[in-house]
Amino acid sequence: GAVVSQHPSWVICKSGTSVKIECRSLDFQATTMFWYRQFPKQSLMLMATSNEGSKATYEQGVEKDKFLINHASLTLSTLTVTSAHPEDSSFYICSARIPGSSSYEQYFGPGTRLTVT
Amino acid sequence: DAKTTQPNSMESNEEEPVHLPCNHSTISGTDYIHWYRQLPSQGPEYVIHGLTSNVNNRMASLAIAEDRKSSTLILHRATLRDAAVYYCILRDGGYNQGGKLIFGQGTELSVKP
Repeated sequence: GAVVSQHPSWVICKSGTSVKIECRSLDFQATTMFWYRQFPKQSLMLMATSNEGSKATYEQGVEKDKFLINHASLTLSTLTVTSAHPEDSSFYICSARIPGSSSYEQYFGPGTRLTVT
Repeated sequence: DAKTTQPNSMESNEEEPVHLPCNHSTISGTDYIHWYRQLPSQGPEYVIHGLTSNVNNRMASLAIAEDRKSSTLILHRATLRDAAVYYCILRDGGYNQGGKLIFGQGTELSVKP
């Protein structure tokens, strides 16, 4: 099956700094990628839809100036958490959809655990 | 997006079949029924999907009610590696949703040896 990777797998940063998380589709081109975050013992919450070559579409309540998404190529989307605070500590997961798939099956990355101290 | 209702948790014995139910009474005609599962500290993994007919693959079977208001994911022989949170998700088959998946709370399946 299709493979999606994320880097880093975990990161610890200080409050006020910015952190960039990469999401790559390794064996297919993804025109659309999705970013989720997940707090402990909770379900995944969709943050935004990342479209190659255009602006991301953010879900209601997600601050677009805080969570910067860039999808500059067909295999890479990045999520930058700006001015991170402890409440941003979470498990961030990306996914990608194979273009042309009518069933919209998505392939998920392994996740990035962010801890803000 | 149409909502789904799943039991919070279920238990199973190893090597026995498991039936995971999902109610989706407000499903629309273009909604696909998707199942994903998430092992601890990992990203979700696709399990199976269907529209109207029952579906089988190497991982599981999906039984869809005739009125499509409910479905059941069937693991034929549970193993310890099947312990995970299973999510039943309705996906709009039209193009206006852009393919996004909205996760509910899911069912946490535990498998006893």
